[in-house]
Amino acid sequence: KAGVTQTPRYLIKTRGQQVTLSCSPISGHRSVSWYQQTPGQGLQFLFEYFSETQRNKGNFPGRFSGRQFSNSRSEMNVSTLELGDSALYLCASSFAGGSSYEQYFGPGTRLTVT
Amino acid sequence: SQKIEQNSEALNIQEGKTATLTCNYTNYSPAYLQWYRQDPGRGPVFLLLIRENEKEKRKERLKVTFDTTLKQSLFHITASQPADSATYLCALGGNSGYALNFGKGTSLLVTP
Repeated sequence: KAGVTQTPRYLIKTRGQQVTLSCSPISGHRSVSWYQQTPGQGLQFLFEYFSETQRNKGNFPGRFSGRQFSNSRSEMNVSTLELGDSALYLCASSFAGGSSYEQYFGPGTRLTVT
Repeated sequence: SQKIEQNSEALNIQEGKTATLTCNYTNYSPAYLQWYRQDPGRGPVFLLLIRENEKEKRKERLKVTFDTTLKQSLFHITASQPADSATYLCALGGNSGYALNFGKGTSLLVTP
């Protein structure tokens, strides 16, 4: 099975711009979660989508949003970018059936805000 | 507030020895705890999951213990190899979906 894919892998944006990141989960996985990873804060949960609905949300401002499509693919959007948004954005997918809670991460999108 | 603490100092051990990593948490009652491995420039890779009602889990050279009274998990790698060198992350989760709270990780270096 193909793993989780994320596009683009690298992105450079300017303060005030907006950005959209994309994630394709493993085939058959219905849950997609997004995380932000920075050296100072580590991995922080952004949100989780299941069946096109946001099921959980982390403690991030409303500038961070996401959505999930009927094929389980997901996008996250960050509006009005700030320098502090520079980070590795990771997407993870889970089967979300039975009692399987393990998550499978993509390689991430490295976002640099200048 | 919820806190998950992993030893921030790197752990250096010799090949063949057992590496033991610690994860402590406060103000949290997780339904399960997971351990992940992360190599530089890559996403975390799932290793093991242990539930709140389990004391110990094993997988090949890996062993995880979970003490909900002490609020602590220990992660052991036996017969460590240089290829085990990486950052190891512990993550706690509840029953409502897949929102994981991660520790900041411990860097492990196994030298020949």
